[in-house]
Formats: sequence, structure tokens, C-alpha cells
Amino acid sequence: DAGVTQSPTHLIKTRGQHVTLRCSPISGHKSVSWYQQVLGQGPQFIFQYYEKEERGRGNFPDRFSARQFPNYSSELNVNALLLGDSALYLCASSLFWGGPNTEAFFGQGTRLTVV
Amino acid sequence: AQSVTQLDSQVPVFEEAPVELRCNYSSSVSVYLFWYVQYPNQGLQLLLKYLSGSTLVESINGFEAEFNKSQTSFHLRKPSVHISDTAEYFCAVSEAGANNLFFGTGTRLTVIP
Repeated sequence: DAGVTQSPTHLIKTRGQHVTLRCSPISGHKSVSWYQQVLGQGPQFIFQYYEKEERGRGNFPDRFSARQFPNYSSELNVNALLLGDSALYLCASSLFWGGPNTEAFFGQGTRLTVV
Repeated sequence: AQSVTQLDSQVPVFEEAPVELRCNYSSSVSVYLFWYVQYPNQGLQLLLKYLSGSTLVESINGFEAEFNKSQTSFHLRKPSVHISDTAEYFCAVSEAGANNLFFGTGTRLTVIP
């Protein structure tokens, strides 16, 4: 079975540009979460979606947005890129939202470099 | 709000020696606790989790962690490490009833031959 797949794996963008990162959850999983992992730090929660609705939002500026599609895949969009947005962006999928036994399975991430 | 503190950023240890990676958390509500492992250039893999019940939880590869509510800790231990255990280890907490995770800053475990 395929795990969580993210695309692209690596990306280089220029300051001020816009970027779209994509995530396909494990088949049957209805919840997708996004995390930002800056080099040398732990992942930080950005968004969580369940059944196409936003269920949680971390402390990130409005330049960050996301959505979940009917097939449960998801996109993370970042506008007006800053150098500080350079990070590994991780997507995680889980069967449900909330409660026990909702283990998050992580993809390998998209490495975004802003120059 | 929840927060996680991993006091040791790097832990070098000789092969076959025991290791403990420390994790303390703070929260005003009931929490679930997790340890994730990250190998170079890879995503996170769940190592073990505490949801409720027995305070000692074990992984399939010999790691164990004990939930200590009074000390708000969830330290990770292994009695004998292998070279393949070299990785970054992250402790994480989520509010019971939600599953967005709050991570610590990670501990890099390096096993020395």
C-alpha cells in the first residue's frame, strides 16, 4: 500500500513568489495535517483538515493557506515567500480527526528553499 | 496550550550501551504522548505512543517510554542501542480529543561503534 505521498520532493523559489505543495493521504484516510520543520527544529503545526473542512490552524500568517479536495488530497499554498519560509514541509494523514487511535502517518516531505 | 521540552539536543552513546532521551511536557488538559524517529532525509515515523492505561509503553524495536504524570515526563529508553538507532528523535504531545501534534526540538542520537 502506498504511504503518504508528497510532491515535489524539492523546490527552489525566489522571495516574493508563490508555492503550492501537494499531498496524497493513505487510501481511506480522511484527515490531512501540514507541518513546517525548519532546520534544527521540531515540526510546527500549520493546518489540519478533515472531510474537506479546516479543523485546526497553527500560529502562521495569512500567507499560508490550504485546502482539501473531495478525494482527500490536499494542497498547501504559501504566498509572498520569505527567506524564513525555507523548511521541510511535512504532510501527515490519519483515519479520523480527534480521539484515540488516530495515528498520524507522515510523508517524506517537500524541501522548500527560498532564495 | 501544550509545549514539549527535550533538554538534550545531542546524545552520543556507544553501541550496546543503554540510552535515555528525556522529554518533559506542559499542558492544562489531558494529553496523548508520542515519540517519533526521523532518519536522514526522511519523514517522521511513529516509534511509540501513550494514550491511556499502562504508563509503560514499548516499541517493536526495543525502545520503551514511561508516562509520569506527576513529573510531566515521557522519557524514552533503550537498554542496548545499535548503530541503526542513529537518528533524530522527537517527543510530541497532543490534546486528548484532537490530533494536531506539538513537537519538541528533537534529540540527535548518535551511536558510536
